[in-house]
Amino acid sequence: AQSVTQLGSHVSVSEGALVLLRCNYSSSVPPYLFWYVQYPNQGLQLLLKYTSAATLVKGINGFEAEFKKSETSFHLTKPSAHMSDAAEYFCAVSEGQGGSEKLVFGKGTKLTVNP
Amino acid sequence: DGGITQSPKYLFRKEGQNVTLSCEQNLNHDAMYWYRQDPGQGLRLIYYSQIVNDFQKGDIAEGYSVSREKKESFPLTVTSAQKNPTAFYLCASSKNYRGRGSYNEQFFGPGTRLTVL
Repeated sequence: AQSVTQLGSHVSVSEGALVLLRCNYSSSVPPYLFWYVQYPNQGLQLLLKYTSAATLVKGINGFEAEFKKSETSFHLTKPSAHMSDAAEYFCAVSEGQGGSEKLVFGKGTKLTVNP
Repeated sequence: DGGITQSPKYLFRKEGQNVTLSCEQNLNHDAMYWYRQDPGQGLRLIYYSQIVNDFQKGDIAEGYSVSREKKESFPLTVTSAQKNPTAFYLCASSKNYRGRGSYNEQFFGPGTRLTVL
């Protein structure tokens, strides 16, 4: 069964600093991986996805993530944090065998950006 | 504009009452999902449906029921059997791609916050 671990339920950075949100996954088959962002009292919005093409994936709002099979990781980064990046971020994995596969979500990381 | 709508945004219920949350999509997606979100616990799958008139239990189905009579609609009923129903409920949908190499990105609605008084 798949699982996702997000290290750090809360991350705080200064505006302009590097953002690094960690995600490790467990899957018995090649995974598809997703990062979603959630602003308060809203639904989830897809930031980026890994679907077995390029291992470095670029998403919206300047975010990117790198798939590292040897480390079973899919960490999310952004070179320079902006105040508008303050939100909760969720990593998710699916088995990727086709069909409407279920997504398994991590518990989320709340990002605070300090001025 | 295509998207997913959930109504109402906020819902209050007295203990012992059933309540139904609405979810509608006009994305022509085959699959629909209901999640429950509690602080610090991420999203947990309640029910999902890959096709009309068919649905499967997720990880926390007890105390909930669903129907899928139309492709566009997937209402969730929170019954009085659900012991702790206060939570944020999210509906999602995805295209039902099949075959190796396909994937199914899920699109989310804005959510319904249910509070039991």
